Amino acid sequence: DGGITQSPKYLFRKEGQNVTLSCEQNLNHDAMYWYRQDPGQGLRLIYYSQIVNDFQKGDIAEGYSVSREKKESFPLTVTSAQKNPTAFYLCASSTTIQGAGYGYTFGSGTRLTVV
Amino acid sequence: ILNVEQSPQSLHVQEGDSTNFTCSFPSSNFYALHWYRWETAKSPEALFVMTLNGDEKKKGRISATLNTKEGYSYLYIKGSQPEDSATYLCAPNSGYSTLTFGKGTMLLVSP
Repeated sequence: DGGITQSPKYLFRKEGQNVTLSCEQNLNHDAMYWYRQDPGQGLRLIYYSQIVNDFQKGDIAEGYSVSREKKESFPLTVTSAQKNPTAFYLCASSTTIQGAGYGYTFGSGTRLTVV
Repeated sequence: ILNVEQSPQSLHVQEGDSTNFTCSFPSSNFYALHWYRWETAKSPEALFVMTLNGDEKKKGRISATLNTKEGYSYLYIKGSQPEDSATYLCAPNSGYSTLTFGKGTMLLVSP
């Protein structure tokens, strides 16, 4: 079955360490996205990529980095510069065909806790 | 950043009750409106994508309407069941590939 896999489901890291969250899709989608959720807030866009080897900052990109070397993969690195990294991180993908309305398929998320 | 408002923030109903939520969004540069259902410990699941003013979509006991001129959409659940308990998210987009999400309406249906 096609879908998006995020790993791991739970991640614990010490303050000051970089950590990379994995997101892989086998839907042949061109576009991939990273969102962050905090309690009481909506999903906020961190980074997105519409094509391999290209990506754009979202609304809250500071302290994060991404790469898109393969169509299937869009890993997110939470760097030590991110001031409040503890959050729930959600990856999504979509076709870029305009008529599809850009609806997303989501992964199941990674909960990152920095101690 | 689009301003997307969802109300109420949370809702607790009894099994069999019908309920509805609202999603408000800017009416300018509208392209599509998406509704998602997000159950605890699962991935958000697409319910509807709506593009035309006056659109009505239905999936089982859940239906949605769209008013692009005034910038709102309603989601209705008829005869709520415990399995309808979830957070319902709306997300408009204005022709770009990224979606802006509201904070969601958290629905709890008690047996």
